[in-house]
Amino acid sequence: GESVGLHLPTLSVQEGDNSIINCAYSNSASDYFIWYKQESGKGPQFIIDIRSNMDKRQGQRVTVLLNKTVKHLSLQIAATQPGDSAVYFCAEAAGGGYNKLIFGAGTRLAVHP
Amino acid sequence: GAVVSQHPSWVICKSGTSVKIECRSLDFQATTMFWYRQFPKQSLMLMATSNEGSKATYEQGVEKDKFLINHASLTLSTLTVTSAHPEDSSFYICSANRGQPQHFGDGTRLSIL
Repeated sequence: GESVGLHLPTLSVQEGDNSIINCAYSNSASDYFIWYKQESGKGPQFIIDIRSNMDKRQGQRVTVLLNKTVKHLSLQIAATQPGDSAVYFCAEAAGGGYNKLIFGAGTRLAVHP
Repeated sequence: GAVVSQHPSWVICKSGTSVKIECRSLDFQATTMFWYRQFPKQSLMLMATSNEGSKATYEQGVEKDKFLINHASLTLSTLTVTSAHPEDSSFYICSANRGQPQHFGDGTRLSIL
């Protein structure tokens, strides 16, 4: 859905722990979902995507889970590292990933040694 | 490596100046590019969809006469902020589809004095 608010929620984790970042989306017609990582002063960097005909997809150290019933998306990062510290955004699109993306509000992940 | 390039990365100019930002797809053709705007600690807000050879499609609330978009070739889209004022200061980011997912440039930080 539309992003609102002036303050990003923050998730603080210890290095080596697993991280779970959640996202609620609003459009029932969305059929493509994607997670991006954004470091300060840079553009979003692709992490992982998933289509609506799947409920789970795994990458290297990352897993995306999709629950269409409650319109919920999550990103799991295994063995979180200091380099994972960044802001994470979910985004949704209808008509496949070639159409415009609508971004969620974002979550700041802070990894502590 | 980067697949979308933005230039310049940082602009500081006086109020009333018009500023042009370039977005290039590297080594691939992009019939569609997207322009986003991001305020500090907020998410990306889609401004417009840039279509090669035709008019851009603007999101609701975005002034098309203020933010001129030209997609003159399959590898270049430009965003011109006309008569910029301090409230236009923001981080402007473009993206393009190279298949899936959308790839983002590293953004342009615009500061209007």
